[in-house]
Amino acid sequence: DAGITQSPRYKITETGRQVTLMCHQTWSHSYMFWYRQDLGHGLRLIYYSAAADITDKGEVPDGYVVSRSKTENFPLTLESATRSQTSVYFCASSKGQGDEKLFFGSGTQLSVL
Amino acid sequence: AQSVSQHNHHVILSEAASLELGCNYSYGGTVNLFWYVQYPGQHLQLLLKYFSGDPLVKGIKGFEAEFIKSKFSFNLRKPSVQWSDTAEYFCAVRSGGYQKVTFGTGTKLQVIP
Repeated sequence: DAGITQSPRYKITETGRQVTLMCHQTWSHSYMFWYRQDLGHGLRLIYYSAAADITDKGEVPDGYVVSRSKTENFPLTLESATRSQTSVYFCASSKGQGDEKLFFGSGTQLSVL
Repeated sequence: AQSVSQHNHHVILSEAASLELGCNYSYGGTVNLFWYVQYPGQHLQLLLKYFSGDPLVKGIKGFEAEFIKSKFSFNLRKPSVQWSDTAEYFCAVRSGGYQKVTFGTGTKLQVIP
């Protein structure tokens, strides 16, 4: 039972570069989410997806792009990385259908220099 | 928009002390409430959840939480903490039939042996 995996675990990049964070789940959960965790802000929702090809903005979507061509994958792209996007990024999934428990990945620690 | 407030940012307790972490939310309609825990170096995992019924819910590892609708609160309690409870605790709310889950800023609990 692989669950939900994120890659890379750590990433260092420079301002202006494009970065893609990967998220893969093996449960065929309908819903997938991207959160960022910052000191003093807790977890903030960036984007979420209800199913393949259905995505919607969360609280802090600016500067990010998502896609969901397959149910199991939900990549997050920083189109032109900024220092303010230095954070820990968590991907999560849930079955939906009344079961709202979120399953989290191990996170990606991103540093933008 | 829904919001979640956790008033205690950092709590330090000795082993065997009792714990209560405050959580208040802003949404006035039907809500689902959660407490998640993040142990050092690990991903977030569900501690307990409230959907309906008995407002006193019990979770893993001896934790419980009480939903008080009139106070918009969902405080987390444990009668006697252990060193292994050292972690960061997040309150979260889902409301309005949406799958989006909003998290509080988190409370870091440090238990001293």
